[in-house]
Order: sequence, then structure tokens, then C-alpha cells
Amino acid sequence: ETGVTQSPTHLIKTRGQQVTLRCSSQSGHNTVSWYQQALGQGPQFIFQYYREEENGRGNFPPRFSGLQFPNYSSELNVNALELDDSALYLCASSTKDRGSSYEQYFGPGTRLTVT
Amino acid sequence: DQQVKQNSPSLSVQEGRISILNCDYTNSMFDYFLWYKKYPAEGPTFLISISSIKDKNEDGRFTVFLNKSAKHLSLHIVPSQPGDSAVYFCAATERGAQKLVFGQGTRLTINP
Repeated sequence: ETGVTQSPTHLIKTRGQQVTLRCSSQSGHNTVSWYQQALGQGPQFIFQYYREEENGRGNFPPRFSGLQFPNYSSELNVNALELDDSALYLCASSTKDRGSSYEQYFGPGTRLTVT
Repeated sequence: DQQVKQNSPSLSVQEGRISILNCDYTNSMFDYFLWYKKYPAEGPTFLISISSIKDKNEDGRFTVFLNKSAKHLSLHIVPSQPGDSAVYFCAATERGAQKLVFGQGTRLTINP
């Protein structure tokens, strides 16, 4: 069974630029959630994708957007980067079928630094 | 508005003793609770969970206790081992909700 993978591992961008982060979900999982973890804080929910549609969103502005593909992999796009966007971005996969549990399984994350 | 709080940023325990990590929540709609462990440069790893219909769930050395009236849960690790040194996050979710709400984390250090 393949776990959740994310790319790239690290990324440095300049304020105002755009970035795309990628995630491959664990095999058998159909749902992907994205979280932002600032230094010293717990992960904060950005949004979730289920069957290629956004299925819930946290308190993040529209410049944070995403996609889910037919193979359940996902992208997180952030436009007009700000310094405060510097964080660890975590992708988590899960299954949203009848009788499934609430557990989400996380990838290693992408460390984004905005200068 | 911090709905899930872990008030101890750090905890140090001697190897072989019991580690107790605490978590408080304010949202009475939460009905499922999870604990994750995180090593540096890795994503959080799921440890154990508990539904609001239970007050205890055990898995090997890990036991989670839920006190709904106090809106409090705790994770007990016994006996503690050096490999348990990590940051532990408490998380909660509402029935049918899409998101996990995390606490700030507690850094556990197991001393030999």
C-alpha cells in the first residue's frame, strides 16, 4: 500500500509570485484535504476535495485554490504570495464512503518559504 | 477562537514511566477525537482515536480517555519509550464535517 506523497519537499518563492504544490493520495482513498501549519502551531484546514469537487473550506482567502484529478491526486495553488504564507503545507488523504472512519493520513509536507 | 487547546507546550518524562498528554475543547458539536504524533521533517502520523459514544479506547501502550462533561481528553502512554519523543497533536471533528481541528501540540521528551 502506497502512502501519501507530496512534492516538492521545499520551495522558496518571492512575494507576489504563484505556487503549485502537489499531492498523491494513499491508494484506495478518494478524498484529499490540505492543511497549513505555521511554526509552533497545529495544522489549519484549508479545504477538502472529494470526487474532484471542493467539499468544504476553511478560513482562507480565494487566492488559495485547488484541484483534484480522476486518480484522486490533488494540487494546491496559491496566488499573490504573501510573507505570512510561509509555512508547512500538509496533504491528507481519507475515504468518504459509507461506514468509513474519520482518520486522515498525512504526507510529509511541503515547506514553503516566501521572501 | 481556539476550539481545541493543548495547554502544555512541552512535557518531559522518564523512560518506562507514564506520559499523560492533555487536550481541552470548547465545541460541543465535536463527536470524534484523534491523536497524531509528528517527528521533525515528517507529516503527522495517526495514533489513536475515540468516538464521543465511548469514554476510553486502548491500543497497545496508548490509551485515550474522553470526559465529555468536562470537554477534556487525554492520551496515556505506558511505558514511555525513547522513540515516543515527538510532538503530539490532539484533533477533533464534527459528525459529517470535512475538517480536523487541531490543537497547538505538545512536545514530549522521553529521557533515558
